[in-house]
Amino acid sequence: GENVEQHPSTLSVQEGDSAVIKCTYSDSASNYFPWYKQELGKRPQLIIDIRSNVGEKKDQRIAVTLNKTAKHFSLHITETQPEDSAVYFCAAPPAYKYIFGTGTRLKVLA
Amino acid sequence: GAVVSQHPSRVICKSGTSVKIECRSLDFQATTMFWYRQFPKQSLMLMATSNEGSKATYEQGVEKDKFLINHASLTLSTLTVTSAHPEDSSFYICSAWPLFANTGELFFGEGSRLTVL
Repeated sequence: GENVEQHPSTLSVQEGDSAVIKCTYSDSASNYFPWYKQELGKRPQLIIDIRSNVGEKKDQRIAVTLNKTAKHFSLHITETQPEDSAVYFCAAPPAYKYIFGTGTRLKVLA
Repeated sequence: GAVVSQHPSRVICKSGTSVKIECRSLDFQATTMFWYRQFPKQSLMLMATSNEGSKATYEQGVEKDKFLINHASLTLSTLTVTSAHPEDSSFYICSAWPLFANTGELFFGEGSRLTVL
């Protein structure tokens, strides 16, 4: 079945530095790759996503890169701010099954 | 738009009782809803996929007779934890996939924290 691995599990960066989180997936049928952010006590919310027909997508300080051949994709956050502190989840859902990675707890140190 | 409401947000019950959690899509129709369980500082573990009008598909290791899922309409799915025990204490969160979605975005409910005494 589908397996999504996410690294690192925890990440601490200084404010203003960049953060990179990587996910690998197993199902070659996956063609949609979202990233969700979950703040403490809140529901997960989509922050960026990418489809398999492109290799990179950027939205202000957030970007996602995809290597479909190697079956991995990464979240890049530049100029990190304290409000970026949260847990981030990736997913690589094949049709109608939404499994998430193990999560990365990002802490941005002021 | 795309609001998912989940109730109750918190529930405390005695061991052996059953608890029902509701997940409603308020402004859209969802043929598919997902139920997750989240332990503290851990990931969202998919429990089951709920499809309107049909039986839910459970993930390996999830007891279907213990976690009853009903998706009777395009806007409502319910999860009933039957004969709850302390080890069932957790954060349960639902999500909905819009019927005519042109994206893969999931919309989550607020979650329900279950404590079994």
